[in-house]
Amino acid sequence: NAGVTQTPKFRILKIGQSMTLQCAQDMNHNYMYWYRQDPGMGLKLIYYSVGAGITDKGEVPNGYNVSRSTTEDFPLRLELAAPSQTSVYFCASSFGPGASYTDTQYFGPGTRLTVL
Amino acid sequence: AQSVAQPEDQVNVAEGNPLTVKCTYSVSGNPYLFWYVQYPNRGLQFLLKYITGDNLVKGSYGFEAEFNKSQTSFHLKKPSALVSDSALYFCAGYTGNQFYFGTGTSLTVIP
Repeated sequence: NAGVTQTPKFRILKIGQSMTLQCAQDMNHNYMYWYRQDPGMGLKLIYYSVGAGITDKGEVPNGYNVSRSTTEDFPLRLELAAPSQTSVYFCASSFGPGASYTDTQYFGPGTRLTVL
Repeated sequence: AQSVAQPEDQVNVAEGNPLTVKCTYSVSGNPYLFWYVQYPNRGLQFLLKYITGDNLVKGSYGFEAEFNKSQTSFHLKKPSALVSDSALYFCAGYTGNQFYFGTGTSLTVIP
């Protein structure tokens, strides 16, 4: 199993450009998450999905969109990039909510995005 | 509002000494609490979690954490630190399908 994969690893955008961060998992997990990590701020949840076709907002969804057409993929879309979106983005997945006795979240390696 | 706090940005400990990384929480209902570790340029890795039951939870790599309801704390501990334990540690709480992460504590184990 590859686990959770993210592409690209690094990206530099100009203000106003758009891009899609890709996330895929091969563990047949139902739940998938997008987080951003800013220095000294921990991780903030952007969006999450509990299954194909179902998504919901997290703490910081503004400026982002997601879709979940398959169990495996959960892309994150930035429509009009702003400097405030400079961050490291992590995708994660879990079979269930990640809070049961036997379940946990698995994280991808991250995408480092800079908006200039 | 749900929140998890890690009061120390940086913890330094000598190799072989016991280590403690502190976490306090404010999560409604019965708290589900977690510890994750992050190595440079890597995603977070699960260490351990508290759901219910025994207040002392044992996890990966010899780490353990003690849930204290009266002090709303979930401190991470290890009896004897290794240089390889040097990393960024995150505490997290879970409620309503969402995880709430602390700001992280950078642990340095000095040889």
